[in-house]
Amino acid sequence: SYVLTQPPSVSEAPGKTATITCGGDNIGIKSVHWYQQKPGQAPLLVIFSDGDRPSGIPERFSGSNSGNTATLIIRRVEAGDEADYYCQVWDSSGDHPVFGGGTKLTVL
Amino acid sequence: QVQLVQSGDEVKIPGASVKVSCRASTFTSVTYGFHWVRQAPGQGLEWMGWINSRNGHTNYAHNVQGRLTLTTDASTRTVYMQLTGLRSDDTAIYYCTHWGEGDSFLDSWGQGTLVTVSS
Repeated sequence: SYVLTQPPSVSEAPGKTATITCGGDNIGIKSVHWYQQKPGQAPLLVIFSDGDRPSGIPERFSGSNSGNTATLIIRRVEAGDEADYYCQVWDSSGDHPVFGGGTKLTVL
Repeated sequence: QVQLVQSGDEVKIPGASVKVSCRASTFTSVTYGFHWVRQAPGQGLEWMGWINSRNGHTNYAHNVQGRLTLTTDASTRTVYMQLTGLRSDDTAIYYCTHWGEGDSFLDSWGQGTLVTVSS
């Protein structure tokens, strides 16, 4: 099964830019999606297809994907962005989604 | 966007079975199926299986194969997840998610159902 690797934690100060990486073998040829999960809540799709935003997601959230690393970028970080973030791709061999281990974003 | 409402929390003894329901506000023209994803306490997201709501085809994760059954009832727009032979490590929050045609992402999630397995 395809493996996605995320850093366990990332910290950033309010107003700065936070970047969360998602590593995978030649992930650049896959479509990467990102979910935000706040404590006690269900995950929420924040980025799909590498860099598209669902309606209602602030423009501060963006994404990129190239080579062996996909990146979630959160500009002008706010206290309300503090959450766990998961990347996800589709494993075509097993025909199912695969999730990264998640990254906890702490806003200092 | 499809809204998903799941059944309430459950407490089960080891070896028992659990059946969780997930009712969709609508089956849209782009509804392809539903996934179930679980999250053990303090852990990440684990895909369990999917069901194609158009033809009933399923795909289950290897570690639950043989214990997991996903079904749908189009008349009530409800999806069901049944897990048998429960073990303590099945204790988790179980989420149903909507799957749109042609999508490789999960665009809507239910609120989650906590299943606790304990003697």
